[in-house]
Amino acid sequence: DILMTQTPLSLSVTPGQPASISCRSTQSLLHSDGKTYLYWYVQKPGQSPQLLIYEVSTRFSGVPDRFTGSGSGTDFTLKISRVEAEDVGVYYCMQSVQLPLTFGGGTRVDIK
Amino acid sequence: QVQLVQSGPEVKKPGASVSISCKTSGYTFITHGITWVRQVPGQGFEWMGWINAKNGHTNDALNFEGRLTMTIDTSRSTAYMELRSLKPDDTGIYYCARDNMELVDYWGQGTLVTVSP
Repeated sequence: DILMTQTPLSLSVTPGQPASISCRSTQSLLHSDGKTYLYWYVQKPGQSPQLLIYEVSTRFSGVPDRFTGSGSGTDFTLKISRVEAEDVGVYYCMQSVQLPLTFGGGTRVDIK
Repeated sequence: QVQLVQSGPEVKKPGASVSISCKTSGYTFITHGITWVRQVPGQGFEWMGWINAKNGHTNDALNFEGRLTMTIDTSRSTAYMELRSLKPDDTGIYYCARDNMELVDYWGQGTLVTVSP
């Protein structure tokens, strides 16, 4: 199985300041079809996961442009350019290049 | 709008079975598969399996040792997951998610399953 490791475990951010989350995989997430199957989700308190980013850097429908995904191979980053109060939650990376799908352990983002 | 609505919370005794439904709307059911994932406290997310909503073909995780069955009812645009021989370790929140094998996008609201003597 592909192991996904996220850092940091938690972030406390002042509104309007940036935040960055790292995700590393034990194998390359580049598929033979040329796509890299790395996702970012946020799970807000009491809710199910919501898709933010897919294929490393493509924002899902309705996701604000303050969320940016980047990376390649085994190293990926999610950046929030200016954190807002509504961004509080736990952020997860996930890979789907190979079954079983596997998830990072999560990064909790809260507001200072 | 795409929606996946799951059945309500369940409390079961060890050794029992649980069945969860995932009713979809807002898209053509057979164009996307359904992935099942569970979230166990302290252990994060665990992929359970995937079912092709067009033909019912499944892929499931080896961890469940034959205890898992996923089915679909295309007439109701609904997917079902049954987990048998429940153990206390199976306590968690179970999610269905829309999955066309390139994109896992919309998730159900989750179903809490509690396994307790």
